[in-house]
Amino acid sequence: NAGVTQTPKFQVLKTGQSMTLQCAQDMNHNSMYWYRQDPGMGLRLIYYSASEGTTDKGEVPNGYNVSRLNKREFSLRLESAAPSQTSVYFCASRTLMTEMNTEAFFGQGTRLTVV
Amino acid sequence: AQSVTQLDSHVSVSEGTPVLLRCNYSSSYSPSLFWYVQHPNKGLQLLLKYTSAATLVKGINGFEAEFKKSETSFHLTKPSAHMSDAAEYFCVVGGYSTLTFGKGTMLLVSP
Repeated sequence: NAGVTQTPKFQVLKTGQSMTLQCAQDMNHNSMYWYRQDPGMGLRLIYYSASEGTTDKGEVPNGYNVSRLNKREFSLRLESAAPSQTSVYFCASRTLMTEMNTEAFFGQGTRLTVV
Repeated sequence: AQSVTQLDSHVSVSEGTPVLLRCNYSSSYSPSLFWYVQHPNKGLQLLLKYTSAATLVKGINGFEAEFKKSETSFHLTKPSAHMSDAAEYFCVVGGYSTLTFGKGTMLLVSP
């Protein structure tokens, strides 16, 4: 069972470069999320998608864009990377956003360094 | 609106002694609460969740948590720590649209 798969696992970018982080889930979940994790900050929500065709901003959306390509895939794009975007990025999925008691399943993370 | 406060950024215990990781929450409605664990350089794994069926929730690897509405707390406990429990633990409150994370508690276990 693959669950939530993120690519790449590691990436180094130069300031101003762009890149797309890919995420796919095989659990037929409706909701998908992108979080970033920084030391001492926990996980902060960047964007989420309640269902195919919809996306919404989270707590820290500036500098990012997302695309819900289909039910399985949810990508995160950095158009012009900045050192402040150095972080570990996690994708997650959840059965149904309106079901409060459902847990999220997480990918293994992408460790991004912007120099 | 909802929020989570993990009261300790680091907790140190000796192997075989009890573990207590503290979490307080704030929520406008009856909350769903979760504890996740993250081992070094790994993703997040669900330990347990509270969904109003019972106030004492048992999870994996001997962990449990008790929901106390009057204290707005959801503390995580384990009777006897193992070396393999060393990790970062996150308390999470679930809402209709998102999951809100606490800032994490690093559990250090010494021999």
